[in-house]
Amino acid sequence: QKEVEQNSGPLSVPEGAIASLNCTYSDRGSQSFFWYRQYSGKSPELIMFIYSNGDKEDGRFTAQLNKASQYVSLLIRDSQPSDSATYLCAVKAGRRALTFGSGTRLQVQP
Amino acid sequence: NAGVTQTPKFQVLKTGQSMTLQCAQDMNHNSMYWYRQDPGMGLRLIYYSASEGTTDKGEVPNGYNVSRLNKREFSLRLESAAPSQTSVYFCASSDLSGGGDEQFFGPGTRLTVL
Repeated sequence: QKEVEQNSGPLSVPEGAIASLNCTYSDRGSQSFFWYRQYSGKSPELIMFIYSNGDKEDGRFTAQLNKASQYVSLLIRDSQPSDSATYLCAVKAGRRALTFGSGTRLQVQP
Repeated sequence: NAGVTQTPKFQVLKTGQSMTLQCAQDMNHNSMYWYRQDPGMGLRLIYYSASEGTTDKGEVPNGYNVSRLNKREFSLRLESAAPSQTSVYFCASSDLSGGGDEQFFGPGTRLTVL
């Protein structure tokens, strides 16, 4: 079992819709959770991080964390074609370095 | 601020050749990392340096060596390149002093080993 799992996609949504990206992790000791966006041929860039159960909102982005279910998600409201990218979930447990999922490719159709 | 810089951007090697990938950051971060990214595999940690003077193996260290030259610079060396090391290599840095681990990435080095 992979430590951090994501559906590879592509996830296709129409412009203006809500895109929901999901991630599960296996280490119950995980404490910090990150979402990175990676455009094709570019390096990952941090979108959001979340440490506590519940929701965290930043503009059109909302990160949701449920530690009991070992589940973290990213919602993108009012999706735009410029949101089309691969979204990487990353998890940190204790002093270990980040563990990344393989990413979900999002396509926003104009 | 340049953030995290990497050189070279592209490189083609023949099997058995050696090379060093350079990484530097100007954000005064303590921790630095080397990842490789292969299609469908996500980012896999090769080595990391939690602070100046320390290095630790990550998930896929075989065939690589690293040097934390100073707080700013962290290099990755391939002593005898193999086709399996064809990949995109990313360097990243972070500041753990605040308790988090938000990592900032360089632009990447695209390496092909023939």
